[in-house]
Amino acid sequence: GNSVTQMEGPVTLSEEAFLTINCTYTATGYPSLFWYVQYPGEGLQLLLKATKADDKGSNKGFEATYRKETTSFHLEKGSVQVSDSAVYFCALKNSGYSTLTFGKGTMLLVSP
Amino acid sequence: NAGVTQTPKFQVLKTGQSMTLQCAQDMNHNSMYWYRQDPGMGLRLIYYSASEGTTDKGEVPNGYNVSRLNKREFSLRLESAAPSQTSVYFCASSELASDSYEQYFGPGTRLTVT
Repeated sequence: GNSVTQMEGPVTLSEEAFLTINCTYTATGYPSLFWYVQYPGEGLQLLLKATKADDKGSNKGFEATYRKETTSFHLEKGSVQVSDSAVYFCALKNSGYSTLTFGKGTMLLVSP
Repeated sequence: NAGVTQTPKFQVLKTGQSMTLQCAQDMNHNSMYWYRQDPGMGLRLIYYSASEGTTDKGEVPNGYNVSRLNKREFSLRLESAAPSQTSVYFCASSELASDSYEQYFGPGTRLTVT
């Protein structure tokens, strides 16, 4: 079956540091890929997506590039803020189904 | 436009009790989902409804039942609660557009079974 593997957290950074959260996947074909973010006490919300190989998704200063050669979709941000503290989930769309497979999530903690 | 709403926000049950978690969406989406979130396990799909009138099992359906009451509402029922069902439950909805496929999540229900 399909699976998504994310780096374990928590990731702790100082404000303005560079962020990378690794995500790799196993799936048949070339699924659409997503990053969701969950702020404390809230549900998940879509951060960015990419629907085909070499696409770059971007939003709120975050970016991720769909790399089919390495089956990866790493999340990056050049300068994090305290308000970016949250749990980040990588996900893929399961081919032929209206469902997503999520990674286990990576907590990001940014200190002033 | 409230998006996805869930009730209740918090619930404490005793082992063996039953309850129904309610979910409604006002975005006219065809598909709806129930997930549970546990520490270190991420989100796991319990049941989903691809369209009104259909329901399918997800990764962890045991101990749960669902009802797609109409296009707006999708409920999750625990017939006989167990401590292993202590979790945060999220409902989500989506529309199967050609390349969008964004799922919209509710705020969650925190359930404790003692």
